[in-house]
Amino acid sequence: AQSVSQHNHHVILSEAASLELGCNYSYGGTVNLFWYVQYPGQHLQLLLKYFSGDPLVKGIKGFEAEFIKSKFSFNLRKPSVQWSDTAEYFCAVEGTGRRALTFGSGTRLQVQP
Amino acid sequence: DAGVIQSPRHEVTEMGQEVTLRCKPISGHDYLFWYRQTMMRGLELLIYFNNNVPIDDSGMPEDRFSAKMPNASFSTLKIQPSEPRDSAVYFCASSLGRHTEAFFGQGTRLTVV
Repeated sequence: AQSVSQHNHHVILSEAASLELGCNYSYGGTVNLFWYVQYPGQHLQLLLKYFSGDPLVKGIKGFEAEFIKSKFSFNLRKPSVQWSDTAEYFCAVEGTGRRALTFGSGTRLQVQP
Repeated sequence: DAGVIQSPRHEVTEMGQEVTLRCKPISGHDYLFWYRQTMMRGLELLIYFNNNVPIDDSGMPEDRFSAKMPNASFSTLKIQPSEPRDSAVYFCASSLGRHTEAFFGQGTRLTVV
């Protein structure tokens, strides 16, 4: 069975600080990887995705993530956060044998102005 | 396209009552997913369909839960009888084929009192 671990449950940053959220997954085969964001009271929206190719993927709003296969990791980064980035961030994995997402527990990011 | 449409947005019901949640996927999408989000368990997959056929219902908590997809543009998730522990936000999502992201609806916030 696949699983996803997000180590940071709650992160508080000041505006302009750099962000890195950790994500590790457990799955024995090929995976597709995603980061979704959920703004307060809203639905999940895709930030970025990795299927194959360049392990450094760029998403919307200045976010990027790097897939490191040897570490089973897919960490999310942003060089300079804004107050509007306050949200909950979910890492998700889709194994090739199962066409559905397994989500991590989420990281709540609070950006202080 | 209006995206994935869920109804109702909020539902408050008494324990023991039947609850039906509805979802209209994005037109043309062939996968439909039902997820449940709670503070304790995070985002969990309940069931997913491909071309209207249930593929994996291993996440359905118990016999009180049932889901149907009578056609490509409509799905229901029914809870009968409902219990307070079913209180959660239920998300429907759809996607097209493999190697694509899932698009989420706004969710239904269910409160069982």
